[in-house]
Amino acid sequence: GENVEQHPSTLSVQEGDSAVIKCTYSDSASNYFPWYKQELGKGPQLIIDIRSNVGEKKDQRIAVTLNKTAKHFSLHITETQPEDSAVYFCAASMRGGATNKLIFGTGTLLAVQP
Amino acid sequence: ETGVTQTPRHLVMGMTNKKSLKCEQHLGHNAMYWYKQSAKKPLELMFVYSLEERVENNSVPSRFSPECPNSSHLFLHLHTLQPEDSALYLCASSQDLGSMNTEAFFGQGTRLTVV
Repeated sequence: GENVEQHPSTLSVQEGDSAVIKCTYSDSASNYFPWYKQELGKGPQLIIDIRSNVGEKKDQRIAVTLNKTAKHFSLHITETQPEDSAVYFCAASMRGGATNKLIFGTGTLLAVQP
Repeated sequence: ETGVTQTPRHLVMGMTNKKSLKCEQHLGHNAMYWYKQSAKKPLELMFVYSLEERVENNSVPSRFSPECPNSSHLFLHLHTLQPEDSALYLCASSQDLGSMNTEAFFGQGTRLTVV
């Protein structure tokens, strides 16, 4: 079936360093790729998304890149801070029957060491 | 706050109990979802509702029974659950199902423990 693979599953960086999380997807028709951040005890919250008509999008310290040919997209966090520590999920939109839905990756636990 | 509220936040139930999870969204969205989040697994989509009509049921056991009385409220009725059903249950909503650009807003989840 359709799936999204996410790597790494855990990532530890020093405060101030950059963090990169990568995802690949299988459905070539996917055209929407959101990233969610989930802090302990909370639900996932959208932090940035990208649509297939662009290759890169940036919002302050967070950026996402998309390579539709290779079917992969990445999240880049620069100048990491301890409050960036959380689980990050990528997702890709896929059509399933009458509905469009998001298929999620398995998540990346990011730990930013002060 | 995301505009999606779930209650209760935590629930412990025995295998013979009947309980319900509640979700309410204040965003004026037309689509609502139930997801199951287990450790080291991707978010699993359980049910999808659009305009109060169930449009998808991803082979979920009948011990989970969803209900959508109106476009703002979604319930998940639970009965005779198994310990492996212990997980974080997340509710989400989105504007509609018609577009592939489906931004979803999540609630904080209900942490369910079946004993």
